[in-house]
Amino acid sequence: KNEVEQSPQNLTAQEGEFITINCSYSVGISALHWLQQHPGGGIVSLFMLSSGKKKHGRLIATINIQEKHSSLHITASHPRDSAVYICALASPFGNEKLTFGTGTRLTIIP
Amino acid sequence: GAGVSQSPSNKVTEKGKDVELRCDPISGHTALYWYRQSLGQGLEFLIYFQGNSAPDKSGLPSDRFSAERTGGSVSTLTIQRTQQEDSAVYLCASSFDRAGKYEQYFGPGTRLTVT
Repeated sequence: KNEVEQSPQNLTAQEGEFITINCSYSVGISALHWLQQHPGGGIVSLFMLSSGKKKHGRLIATINIQEKHSSLHITASHPRDSAVYICALASPFGNEKLTFGTGTRLTIIP
Repeated sequence: GAGVSQSPSNKVTEKGKDVELRCDPISGHTALYWYRQSLGQGLEFLIYFQGNSAPDKSGLPSDRFSAERTGGSVSTLTIQRTQQEDSAVYLCASSFDRAGKYEQYFGPGTRLTVT
């Protein structure tokens, strides 16, 4: 079993819809990162969470440490939100490598 | 301000040749990471530098891979005797500190093709 699982793998939605991408993990973490990768490859860090909830514009990220689950929400989705969204786990044990999910490919149709 | 830069952006090399990939992190960032993204694969950790500490090399796939970071700034990833399975996008990222405390800023990557 992978340490980090994302769902769905692919998601297509109409412009304006509320989007939820889920990330579940099975190991202890010090933080969880949400990343965005656009076609062409550039990666942008969206959030780093160790507890609770963070909001940036139309993006909201939540984490439940006890349930080992995080969600990324996009409100009022727009075609420019089309990208691959990746969650990544930061180890709490001094080994600073990130363990990455396989990503969710989001397509927003105008 | 300048972000993380990487060079070259694309590299095509023949099997068996050595290649060097360069990363210039954001000024003042003490942590530097190398990752690899193979075609159709997810992101894979390679190596991590933090300040003057010994690097975490646990993700390097073979002894053909090595990396150094000079003066706590620029880093070079070297692949010796390249193989076709080394073809991938190599990404560098930097942050103020460790991955559990700060966001990472990614460079645009170097696309390596081994023919």
